[in-house]
Amino acid sequence: RKEVEQDPGPFNVPEGATVAFNCTYSNSASQSFFWYRQDCRKEPKLLMSVYSSGNEDGRFTAQLNRASQYISLLIRDSKLSDSATYLCVVNFGSWGKLQFGAGTQVVVTP
Amino acid sequence: ETGVTQTPRHLVMGMTNKKSLKCEQHLGHNAMYWYKQSAKKPLELMFVYSLEERVENNSVPSRFSPECPNSSHLFLHLHTLQPEDSALYLCASSQDRGGTYEQYFGPGTRLTVT
Repeated sequence: RKEVEQDPGPFNVPEGATVAFNCTYSNSASQSFFWYRQDCRKEPKLLMSVYSSGNEDGRFTAQLNRASQYISLLIRDSKLSDSATYLCVVNFGSWGKLQFGAGTQVVVTP
Repeated sequence: ETGVTQTPRHLVMGMTNKKSLKCEQHLGHNAMYWYKQSAKKPLELMFVYSLEERVENNSVPSRFSPECPNSSHLFLHLHTLQPEDSALYLCASSQDRGGTYEQYFGPGTRLTVT
């Protein structure tokens, strides 16, 4: 079983719509959680950290469910520029040892 | 954005060559990382340096040799690579704040081994 699992997509989303997707992780000792976005042939960029109480940053909302071991990302009012691959990232050890998911591709269409 | 820079951006090398990748972070962070990203695969952590000391070596073959002379610079020395080592090599840095490890990535070096 993969340590961090994501639906690869693609999620095809009309501009202005809402899209949400999850990520599951296998290690219950995981401590920190993040969403990164990666554009084609570019480096991953930190989108947001995910806190236990859930958090929101503009049109983006992240939730953490420790009992079921998943995190989610919701994007409201999707923009064309939101088209990217969204990487779920989990830290379950010391020294910043991050485990990356393979990513969920989102394609926002006009 | 120039928080983390990497050179070269592209590299083509033969299997008998020796080359080095360079990473520099301008964020005042105390930890640096090397990752490998192959096509259609998740990022794989290769090495972690915290306060210039290697604290993680993720079963990486010895043909990859990291060096961290100070907290701002990180190198990856390459020798006798194999074609399957062709990938995007990403450097990242973070500031260890008691367990939160938000990492910031450089643009990567796209390596092709012929």
